[in-house]
Amino acid sequence: QKEVEQDPGPLSVPEGAIVSLNCTYSNSAFQYFMWYRQYSRKGPELLMYTYSSGNKEDGRFTAQVDKSSKYISLFIRDSQPSDSATYLCAMSASGLTGGGNKLTFGTGTQLKVEL
Amino acid sequence: DAGVIQSPRHEVTEMGQEVTLRCKPISGHDYLFWYRQTMMRGLELLIYFNNNVPIDDSGMPEDRFSAKMPNASFSTLKIQPSEPRDSAVYFCASSGDRRSKNIQYFGAGTRLSVL
Repeated sequence: QKEVEQDPGPLSVPEGAIVSLNCTYSNSAFQYFMWYRQYSRKGPELLMYTYSSGNKEDGRFTAQVDKSSKYISLFIRDSQPSDSATYLCAMSASGLTGGGNKLTFGTGTQLKVEL
Repeated sequence: DAGVIQSPRHEVTEMGQEVTLRCKPISGHDYLFWYRQTMMRGLELLIYFNNNVPIDDSGMPEDRFSAKMPNASFSTLKIQPSEPRDSAVYFCASSGDRRSKNIQYFGAGTRLSVL
């Protein structure tokens, strides 16, 4: 079993829909949680970053972390065609040195927002 | 800063040939990571360096793969001899931002095709 599980999709939604993307994980040492967005033929770029449990909002994007359930989510409100990309969750154990800097990625969920 | 710079962007080679991928991290970052991305396996960490020293190379698939970081502004990933199953997109990332060392910034990747 992988440390981080993510549904690969593809997920297709109409413009304006609310999108929910999720990851589960098994390593209770993970403390830092990130969402990366990857457009076709580009490198991943950081979208959201959270530490420990709770919610974080940035514009149309909300990241949620539930450490008790080992479950993280990314919500996209009023989705746009420009949101069409692959979304990868990533996580890291606590600490800023050594192994704490190593990220474990999900396999990514491909999202398509249709006009 | 121009971000993480990788070269070449595309590489097509024949089985058995040596392949060298290059990376220039963001200036001032002290961590450098090499990843491989395929549809089947997603984004896999191959090796990472801290202050030019290899810290964890457990993801390097075989002895055919080697990586070096001769100085803080340059790293190479070499495959010798290359095989068709090495075909993938190879990403370099760096981190070391003072706000959070866990945020990795990715280059645009090198798309490798081994025929």
